[in-house]
Amino acid sequence: AQTIHQWPVAEIKAVGSPLSLGCTIKGKSSPNLYWYWQATGGTLQQLFYSITVGQVESVVQLNLSASRPKDDQFILSTEKLLLSHSGFYLCAWSLEGGPNYAEQFFGPGTRLTVL
Amino acid sequence: GDSVTQTEGLVTLTKGLPVMLNCTYQTTYSPFLFWYVQHLNEAPKLLLKSSTDNKRTEHQGFYATLHKSSSSFHLQKSSVQLSDSALYFCALSENAYKVIFGKGTHLHVLP
Repeated sequence: AQTIHQWPVAEIKAVGSPLSLGCTIKGKSSPNLYWYWQATGGTLQQLFYSITVGQVESVVQLNLSASRPKDDQFILSTEKLLLSHSGFYLCAWSLEGGPNYAEQFFGPGTRLTVL
Repeated sequence: GDSVTQTEGLVTLTKGLPVMLNCTYQTTYSPFLFWYVQHLNEAPKLLLKSSTDNKRTEHQGFYATLHKSSSSFHLQKSSVQLSDSALYFCALSENAYKVIFGKGTHLHVLP
């Protein structure tokens, strides 16, 4: 069975400080990986997706960057946090193809508070 | 561009009553529609999915039918329970990688 793990569970950071959030998926080789951001009680905004190691596509610009250093790992980062970065960050994966290709399986999320 | 519209931000009703949450979409591609449910402080989970026109799909008492003629995929349940209180998202995917979520509808079920 596939499992998705995100770290840390929660972070409190100062404006202007750097950030690194991680996501690891086990039990699935070469998954499509995604980062989403959610304001409290708000919609899910897709930030990045990655089809393969070393390749990341940006969907929306929020002064964030993403990398995929390993097949099972997806990293979200920024060198300088803004207050607007506060929220819930969700990593997700989907199957490579077939009729259910677009179905997203979400990780437990990281709650970020920027002060 | 593609979009998903959920007209109700908050729906409040008493347990045992029926509910319908609206979802309409706009796309130039062949649509794949989803409903996700998110309970408080949890990750979203898939509730329903469909890409087949006029076919009802059901799961955990919830059901929806994709109508391409009206670009709709409304979520329904005949009798809501307290445990159904959550945030519900309609989502659209026109390819393997990009997914667009609606603004979400908060469902609040009263005892």
